[in-house]
Amino acid sequence: EAGVAQSPRYKIIEKRQSVAFWCNPISGHATLYWYQQILGQGPKLLIQFQNNGVVDDSQLPKDRFSAERLKGVDSTLKIQPAKLEDSAVYLCASSYTGTSRVQRRTDTQYFGPGTRLTVL
Amino acid sequence: AQKITQTQPGMFVQEKEAVTLDCTYDTSDQSYGLFWYKQPSSGEMIFLIYQGSYDEQNATEGRYSLNFQKARKSANLVISASQLGDSAMYFCAMRERAGNNRKLIWGLGTSLAVNP
Repeated sequence: EAGVAQSPRYKIIEKRQSVAFWCNPISGHATLYWYQQILGQGPKLLIQFQNNGVVDDSQLPKDRFSAERLKGVDSTLKIQPAKLEDSAVYLCASSYTGTSRVQRRTDTQYFGPGTRLTVL
Repeated sequence: AQKITQTQPGMFVQEKEAVTLDCTYDTSDQSYGLFWYKQPSSGEMIFLIYQGSYDEQNATEGRYSLNFQKARKSANLVISASQLGDSAMYFCAMRERAGNNRKLIWGLGTSLAVNP
């Protein structure tokens, strides 16, 4: 079974530029998450999708960050314009939401390789 | 208030020895889940092990086991027979219910270095 795919793996941009990240979840996973992880900290949830609807975007800086999940599968996260403090690893994760008793019980999130963003 | 506490910023262990990484949590929910993830320097977050609050047995997954002490609200990760590839950051997380949503609350992590 293929894991969560993300691209690009690395991105270097200058402040005030825009950047976009792409995520493809594990097949059959209805829930998709975007996290921001600043060096030395745990991941911070930016946005959570259930299929193509937003469940939680309370910590998404909506003045500069946007995210969408087309057709309930792939997702893109965009930053425009970027600031120095946006330098971080952006992690995408997905979890299964269905009739499996085991998966429903755990809601285990599986992560992609992440995108390391550097804003200069 | 911090809900997941990992008190060990850094740990060292000799190859082939066992190591325990501490995690304490705080919740008023009766139903919750505890997770451990490993994050190597490459950045990917790798799921290791899960413990449900109603599980009577401690979870085990290969060389990983979870020492779950519900009354003390602790969920320590035990890695047996450490390997050089175990050097990484380790995060403890708790699944918390927020309305109809379940979200993960993360600790700050413990950096583990395995010495040859």
